Amino acid sequence: DSGVTQTPKHLITATGQRVTLRCSPRSGDLSVYWYQQSLDQGLQFLIHYYNGEERAKGNILERFSAQQFPDLHSELNLSSLELGDSALYFCASSVDTGVYNEQFFGPGTRLTVL
Amino acid sequence: DQQVKQNSPSLSVQEGRISILNCDYTNSMFDYFLWYKKYPAEGPTFLISISSIKDKNEDGRFTVFLNKSAKHLSLHIVPSQPGDSAVYFCAASSTTSGTYKYIFGTGTRLKVLA
Repeated sequence: DSGVTQTPKHLITATGQRVTLRCSPRSGDLSVYWYQQSLDQGLQFLIHYYNGEERAKGNILERFSAQQFPDLHSELNLSSLELGDSALYFCASSVDTGVYNEQFFGPGTRLTVL
Repeated sequence: DQQVKQNSPSLSVQEGRISILNCDYTNSMFDYFLWYKKYPAEGPTFLISISSIKDKNEDGRFTVFLNKSAKHLSLHIVPSQPGDSAVYFCAASSTTSGTYKYIFGTGTRLKVLA
């Protein structure tokens, strides 16, 4: 158990809908990262938050947005969903910023768009 | 543009033998590399890392080798055990980019046969 929790574990929805994925980092971790893993793909970096502020953006679509709240949990909002958005979405947390700080991953949320 | 490549989607090895997983990268700015292991229905977990100032890093049965001129790294597992059966992701990062993001490969599924 990494200490990072993600809810829900599974989500099935229809095209055009909007969903919210939630992540609670390990106690004491200030950084939260979101990744997307599509079928047969590696983990694609989406976005990084540190202590409530956005620090870096990766290949995140404009239909997607994220935020980190004062209690440090984070939410990833996906809107106008398309079939191609079906994927595993992972959240990771680390103590601080910096690549030397190990990222601890949650178990992921599997999103299926029908 | 896949900056981190794991060209072998799968690998089968007999228990007790050596497992060698390979990873190639294209971005010469990468100077920190990691291996993560992923079991089904779990998030990736950190295994071992190496900085570009070294060409080898060892942790128990796991050794990572880095060949900067070839832009290639490999993970050696000796001896391989059935519990090592998992998907292994190679990741790379740049300590000077300021974004602290990891770029992951597509993974290699290792199966250790008893």
